[in-house]
Amino acid sequence: NAGVTQTPKFRILKIGQSMTLQCTQDMNHNYMYWYRQDPGMGLKLIYYSVGAGITDKGEVPNGYNVSRSTTEDFPLRLELAAPSQTSVYFCASSYRGPLNQPQHFGDGTRLSIL
Amino acid sequence: AQKVTQAQTEISVVEKEDVTLDCVYETRDTTYYLFWYKQPPSGELVFLIRRNSFDEQNEISGRYSWNFQKSTSSFNFTITASQVVDSAVYFCALSEAGEAGGTSYGKLTFGQGTILTVHP
Repeated sequence: NAGVTQTPKFRILKIGQSMTLQCTQDMNHNYMYWYRQDPGMGLKLIYYSVGAGITDKGEVPNGYNVSRSTTEDFPLRLELAAPSQTSVYFCASSYRGPLNQPQHFGDGTRLSIL
Repeated sequence: AQKVTQAQTEISVVEKEDVTLDCVYETRDTTYYLFWYKQPPSGELVFLIRRNSFDEQNEISGRYSWNFQKSTSSFNFTITASQVVDSAVYFCALSEAGEAGGTSYGKLTFGQGTILTVHP
């Protein structure tokens, strides 16, 4: 059982380039999330999705876009990479049910923008 | 808006010592959920515990225990007889149930994290 899979694990981008961070989960979870973790800080929510075709902004959405065409996949796109987007990105998913179920996290994507 | 504060940035202990990680939260919701996650040096996030706001019973799991006190808005985490393998960053997080029958969709607000180093 793979859980939440993120690709790539590492990436270096030049300023102004674009890229897509991939996230796939095989647990049939309705809810999916993207967080970023800056050095010495906690995770901050970028975007989230409650089901296929439904997405919404989190705390720090500027500079990012998402889509959710299937239950399994929730890619995060950076259109014009900026140094401020250097961070570790985590994708997570959770079951849609009562009591706010724990989120399952991927292993993260470490992104550097130079 | 909700907020989670972990005032201890770094803690260093010697193996077998007990250590307590503090977590203080702010929320306007009467129903909410508190979590602890562990991030070992390998970088992944590991779920440790979830606590509902209406259940103040403390919990023990092996060497881990959690003390939830609504009166002080705290959800502290204690490791008894610490081991080198406990070295990690520990995050406390809050998820609100939502306002007036709505839902927050499980979104988490994280504290800044506490770096725990256990020396042999």
